Amino acid sequence: EAGVAQSPRYKIIEKRQSVAFWCNPISGHATLYWYQQILGQGPKLLIQFQNNGVVDDSQLPKDRFSAERLKGVDSTLKIQPAKLEDSAVYLCASSFGMNTEAFFGQGTRLTVV
Amino acid sequence: TQLLEQSPQFLSIQEGENLTVYCNSSSVFSSLQWYRQEPGEGPVLLVTVVTGGEVKKLKRLTFQFGDARKDSSLHITAAQPGDTGLYLCARGGSQGNLIFGKGTKLSVKP
Repeated sequence: EAGVAQSPRYKIIEKRQSVAFWCNPISGHATLYWYQQILGQGPKLLIQFQNNGVVDDSQLPKDRFSAERLKGVDSTLKIQPAKLEDSAVYLCASSFGMNTEAFFGQGTRLTVV
Repeated sequence: TQLLEQSPQFLSIQEGENLTVYCNSSSVFSSLQWYRQEPGEGPVLLVTVVTGGEVKKLKRLTFQFGDARKDSSLHITAAQPGDTGLYLCARGGSQGNLIFGKGTKLSVKP
């Protein structure tokens, strides 16, 4: 069974530029999560989708971050404009439903210079 | 906020040594999960503990959930270089998401 796919693996951008990350969850998984993992810390939830609806985006900096999952499958996370403190690994995870085991992708490492 | 405090933050040991890492909180949890994250990879679930006092074993790894369900420990026997990674504990959020501790970064040298 294919795992959670994320791209790109690495991205370097200058501050104030925009960037987008893509996630393809495991087939059949209704719940999709985006986490931010800053160096030296555990992952922190940014946004959670159930199918194409947002369940929790309370920790998403909405002035610069946006995410969508239009058809309830793939998802994109965008940052515009990026700040230095956005440098982190962005992890996508999916699960069959809420409160079931989540499987993580390899993440996208973003460096903002 | 129900924080999860993990200790130690860093641990560097020689192959063959034993070690224990801890995950503590002032709050009671219905369950706790342990993950291992290797460099360049996402976290992978190792175990879920749900019952106070529960002990689970996964090969050389032994996980324990405290009697009061406020703390947990992970003990590794005869560590190997393949055990190197970031060990994260996590609890479930209200919507089924995960809330992680900061992790223990383990390095096992040959």
